[in-house]
Amino acid sequence: GQNIDQPTEMTATEGAIVQINCTYQTSGFNGLFWYQQHAGEAPTFLSYNVLDGLEEKGRFSSFLSRSKGYSYLLLKELQMKDSASYLCAVRAGGSYIPTFGRGTSLIVHP
Amino acid sequence: DTAVSQTPKYLVTQMGNDKSIKCEQNLGHDTMYWYKQDSKKFLKIMFSYNNKELIINETVPNRFSPKSPDKAHLNLHINSLELGDSAVYFCASSQESVTETQYFGPGTRLLVL
Repeated sequence: GQNIDQPTEMTATEGAIVQINCTYQTSGFNGLFWYQQHAGEAPTFLSYNVLDGLEEKGRFSSFLSRSKGYSYLLLKELQMKDSASYLCAVRAGGSYIPTFGRGTSLIVHP
Repeated sequence: DTAVSQTPKYLVTQMGNDKSIKCEQNLGHDTMYWYKQDSKKFLKIMFSYNNKELIINETVPNRFSPKSPDKAHLNLHINSLELGDSAVYFCASSQESVTETQYFGPGTRLLVL
């Protein structure tokens, strides 16, 4: 099985930078996803990492270290609309079905 | 234009009833999924289905059954509903590939009374 761990909740200030961490323990790692989910809505895809390093997409970046079983999602220039749950999901063992972590609820305040 | 759609969006029903939730995707994907998201927002896979195989999460009660009339549809049928079935159910689709992301439907909010 897979063990995925994320902080339950984080708060940050509008305009600031926040880093959401995700650690995982799995065998046969085959990719890590980050999804954003606003309250009452469906998860939407943010990023995908399968190799070590940083992937940047506008205000959002995602980092992966396979040897450490660690990823983070970095959100810059925070906006109020970034208040949402951020889900880390891991694919492993040859399966194409990702396993989701419990999500991190991010609250951005003025 | 909707990529993955689900009906109904809200479903309120009595314990013991049988209900179905429908899902359709127009993305041409070959794999569809059902997830359950509980009150703690934990998203758990229930089923994955493509034209080759059905993968069932072994923790899912057999009161839940997926039905796929064709590649674009995967419906979820639930028999003898229980209070603990109350949750949000998300349908998703993807192209079967370890690099492909999943696209989620808007969710069906099920409340069992």
